[in-house]
Amino acid sequence: DAGVIQSPRHEVTEMGQEVTLRCKPISGHDYLFWYRQTMMRGLELLIYFNNNVPIDDSGMPEDRFSAKMPNASFSTLKIQPSEPRDSAVYFCASSLSGESYEQYFGPGTRLTVT
Amino acid sequence: GENVEQHPSTLSVQEGDSAVIKCTYSDSASNYFPWYKQELGKGPQLIIDIRSNVGEKKDQRIAVTLNKTAKHFSLHITETQPEDSAVYFCAASGAAGNKLTFGGGTRVLVKP
Repeated sequence: DAGVIQSPRHEVTEMGQEVTLRCKPISGHDYLFWYRQTMMRGLELLIYFNNNVPIDDSGMPEDRFSAKMPNASFSTLKIQPSEPRDSAVYFCASSLSGESYEQYFGPGTRLTVT
Repeated sequence: GENVEQHPSTLSVQEGDSAVIKCTYSDSASNYFPWYKQELGKGPQLIIDIRSNVGEKKDQRIAVTLNKTAKHFSLHITETQPEDSAVYFCAASGAAGNKLTFGGGTRVLVKP
């Protein structure tokens, strides 16, 4: 398996623009997580899905952020409008329910909002 | 909710020495404690984990210990090598399914 795939790897955009980050989880995994990593706040869980259904979105910072999972092999994280403080590395991770809770992380998307 | 504290934030060791990273957690219901290693420009990767019914687990040069009474767990790396240089994260998972709460991370530098 290719692992978790994220695109784009780097995104530079201007304040006020819409940004869409994409994630393809490992085939067969039923959990999908979106994290944000910054120097100041570390690794924060934004939202996670189980079987394509959002379970906990308490980490989503504000209404400018939204996430969807239309099917088992694709998820998006959208920021509209973007702000400079949204600059961070965004990771997607997936896992399989059962005995092991191991989360497999993607390579991340480095977002810069100018 | 769960809160995980991790210390130290940075750790510099001489090659061949041991490194120890400590974490505490707040939710007594937490039962799964993984450690992730993050290399520059990559996503975190699981290196070892421990469950609440086990006090210690070892895998080659790395080991993890868990004290449920005190609600703390530690990562031990022996005979450190330059390739051990990375950021290490502890995490805890409780009754909320697969959700993990991460510590703040420890940047480890192994000096040749």
